Parts: sequence; C-alpha cells; structure tokens
Amino acid sequence: EIVLTQSPDFQSMTPKEKVTITCRASQSIGTSLHWYQQKPDQSPKLLIKYASQSISGVPSRFSGSGSGTDFTLTINSLEAEDAATYYCHQTTSFPYTFGQGTKLEIK
Amino acid sequence: EVQLVESGGGLVQPGGSLRLSCAASGFTFSASAMSWVRQAPEKGLEWVSTFSHNGDSTYYADSVKGRFTISRDTSKNTLYLQMSSLRVEDTAVYYCAEGHWELYHWGQGTLVTVSS
Repeated sequence: EIVLTQSPDFQSMTPKEKVTITCRASQSIGTSLHWYQQKPDQSPKLLIKYASQSISGVPSRFSGSGSGTDFTLTINSLEAEDAATYYCHQTTSFPYTFGQGTKLEIK
Repeated sequence: EVQLVESGGGLVQPGGSLRLSCAASGFTFSASAMSWVRQAPEKGLEWVSTFSHNGDSTYYADSVKGRFTISRDTSKNTLYLQMSSLRVEDTAVYYCAEGHWELYHWGQGTLVTVSS
C-alpha cells in the first residue's frame, strides 16, 4: 500500500498570505496525485488533478506541482473562504489512498 | 448539472447488513466509472471501492474486500454498495463520487453507524 504523508497537519494563516502544503508518497507514483478541499460539513471538492492540472471553476490561486514522491499544493493570496481541510489522493495502484489531511485555519 | 444523492444509511448492529444507493443525474452514468469513499467521524477520507466505466471491473479496499459489493443499475442510473458483516469500524459517512481516478463530483454522503 502506498502511504501518503502530508505536512503540516495544521496551519494557521492570515488572508493574502501564500500557503504550501506538501504530500510525500512512500514510493514513486508518477503524477497520479490529486488534491481535494473539504470545508466543514461539506463533501470534498476536486481542486487539482494529476499533480498540476487545473480544474474548471477552481480559482487560479490554487496550483499544484510535483512528480514521483514529492508534491505540493500552493494557495496564493489566501482568502477567508479557503479555510478547509486539504487532502492528497493517489490513484497509481490499488488500494488507492489519501493523505491524512491538512487543516488550514484563516485568522 | 451533475447530481449524486446517496441514501440507505442508518444504524445497524455489528454483523448486520445494509445497502447504500447513489442516484445519479446530469451525466452519462452508463459510461462513467463510479467510486465510494468513506469518512469515519472526525477522521480523514478512505477510498472504499470503484466500479469501472465499462462495468468490467470492480475494485475494493482490503478492509472491505469480501464483505462489500459495488454494483450499478444503468436503467435506474443508480450505484449501490451492498455491505455485510458490518463492523464497528465501518461507521462512517459514505460518499459516492463520479470517477475512477480523479473524483470530479461527490454526493452529500450518507451516515452508517454500526453499534449494538
């Protein structure tokens, strides 16, 4: 099983700051890595697919990068509505796995 | 507009069974892969199962293999998850989602509680 480890587990930021969340895979997964945002009491929402591909309707301040074992989700110029938990998800091999999540607080 | 509406959750005793449904609309269900993902209370996301777009293949997490069965009825545009031999650790909100790899659309989830 491929283990995804996100860092940090929790981050508290102020509006307009830039935040970086990392996801490290226990073995190489190419670019089969997707990012989701889950706000409290809501379903997850796809933000980035295949490490860096943007999703229609997602604000351009969200971007992704990486390949192999190290991946990054970057949120430029944070907004209050970005308060959520963010998850990475690998679909290279079964069982598909998620990272443990990164909770982002906006002060 | 894509809509996924789960139903069938509830309280069940350990060892019991439950069937979840996911009614889909707004896209070509018969040509789409579908997945189930669950989230235990105050925990992260866990992939459960995927049904391939052509219906040829099904995939399961080790934690549910042999106990859960994913299926679909294209005449009703509905995805199912038959759950048996339920355990306390199966307690979670179960989401259905459109997709095999990237999961584009998600339902609102249905809560399954396994408790005596």
